[in-house]
Amino acid sequence: NAGVTQTPKFQVLKTGQSMTLQCAQDMNHNSMYWYRQDPGMGLRLIYYSASEGTTDKGEVPNGYNVSRLNKREFSLRLESAAPSQTSVYFCASAQGQSQETQYFGPGTRLLVL
Amino acid sequence: GENVEQHPSTLSVQEGDSAVIKCTYSDSASNYFPWYKQELGKRPQLIIDIRSNVGEKKDQRIAVTLNKTAKHFSLHITETQPEDSAVYFCAASLYNNNDMRFGAGTRLTVKP
Repeated sequence: NAGVTQTPKFQVLKTGQSMTLQCAQDMNHNSMYWYRQDPGMGLRLIYYSASEGTTDKGEVPNGYNVSRLNKREFSLRLESAAPSQTSVYFCASAQGQSQETQYFGPGTRLLVL
Repeated sequence: GENVEQHPSTLSVQEGDSAVIKCTYSDSASNYFPWYKQELGKRPQLIIDIRSNVGEKKDQRIAVTLNKTAKHFSLHITETQPEDSAVYFCAASLYNNNDMRFGAGTRLTVKP
């Protein structure tokens, strides 16, 4: 049981390049989330998916798109990376939506030059 | 939307002392308040949570208190140990997890 996994662990991009961050969970959870973590700002929700086939914007969605490919996988895409998107990205999952523990992946460190 | 403020940003204590981290929230409708611990280079992990229908919850050396009237909640760690050194985040949300707002974090250092 791997829990929540993310790939890649680290990525360097040039401004304007695109990439997709991958996330998968093997806990049969319904809800999945993408956060970014910046120094001194805690975790901020980018997008979430309450169930397979649905996605919604969080607090900071601009510049990102997501896909809930199936129940297990939730990807985050940067179409045209900007230096302001340099951050650590965490994927998380939870059984439901209602005040339940969120389990986080190991994170992806992204540097945009 | 909800706004969560967390204090202090850094906290240093001697091993065996107690540590207290405080958070305030803005939306009186928030009713779920989890605390996450993040060790250096690791993922955040839930350590304790509290719902608005209770005022205090304990789990061994960790306790959380909630004051709904004042809209603040606190994490208390007693008999601190070096392995308690980490960044701690508070959070607040309404009924569902989909708009969880986190505090900026507190870096706790426990000196042996």
